[in-house]
Amino acid sequence: NAGVTQTPKFRVLKTGQSMTLLCAQDMNHEYMYWYRQDPGMGLRLIHYSVGEGTTAKGEVPDGYNVSRLKKQNFLLGLESAAPSQTSVYFCASRRTGADTGELFFGEGSRLTVL
Amino acid sequence: DAKTTQPPSMDCAEGRAANLPCNHSTISGNEYVYWYRQIHSQGPQYIIHGLKNNETNEMASLIITEDRKSSTLILPHATLRDTAVYYCIVRVGNTGGFKTIFGAGTRLFVKA
Repeated sequence: NAGVTQTPKFRVLKTGQSMTLLCAQDMNHEYMYWYRQDPGMGLRLIHYSVGEGTTAKGEVPDGYNVSRLKKQNFLLGLESAAPSQTSVYFCASRRTGADTGELFFGEGSRLTVL
Repeated sequence: DAKTTQPPSMDCAEGRAANLPCNHSTISGNEYVYWYRQIHSQGPQYIIHGLKNNETNEMASLIITEDRKSSTLILPHATLRDTAVYYCIVRVGNTGGFKTIFGAGTRLFVKA
């Protein structure tokens, strides 16, 4: 049981390049989230999904796109990377139902845009 | 989801109890209080949550005031490994509350 897995863990991009971060969870969770964390700051919600085929905007969605084609995967895309998108990106998931509803996080993906 | 206010940093001596406060004066009746912590650069880790009653688990205790406008996370015997950023979050319970918004948290330093 791997939990939440993010790939890649590190990436360096040049301004204007595109890339996709992959989040995979093996817990059959309905909800999935993408956050970014800048140095010394808390986490900010980029986009989230409440089920396969659905996505919604969070606090800071501009410059990012997401897709949830399969329940277990949540992809975060940067179409034209900018230095302001240099950050650590965290994916999280949680289940629905009568339980704690706690978030399970991945280990993070560190992105640098030059 | 209701906003929360936490002190930016706190110190605690190793072996003593760490009491981390959180204000959530605009909390709604159906919103829960959740606590997470983030050690160094790792992904945040769930600690505990509650609605009205005080809660305790193997990691910590959560004390919620009667008017629910504030709460305190208690680490009974803090260790150096408890040095982390602690986030207090309020959101609607599991059947709703799709968004989970994090604030800046409290940076706890446990000193030997």
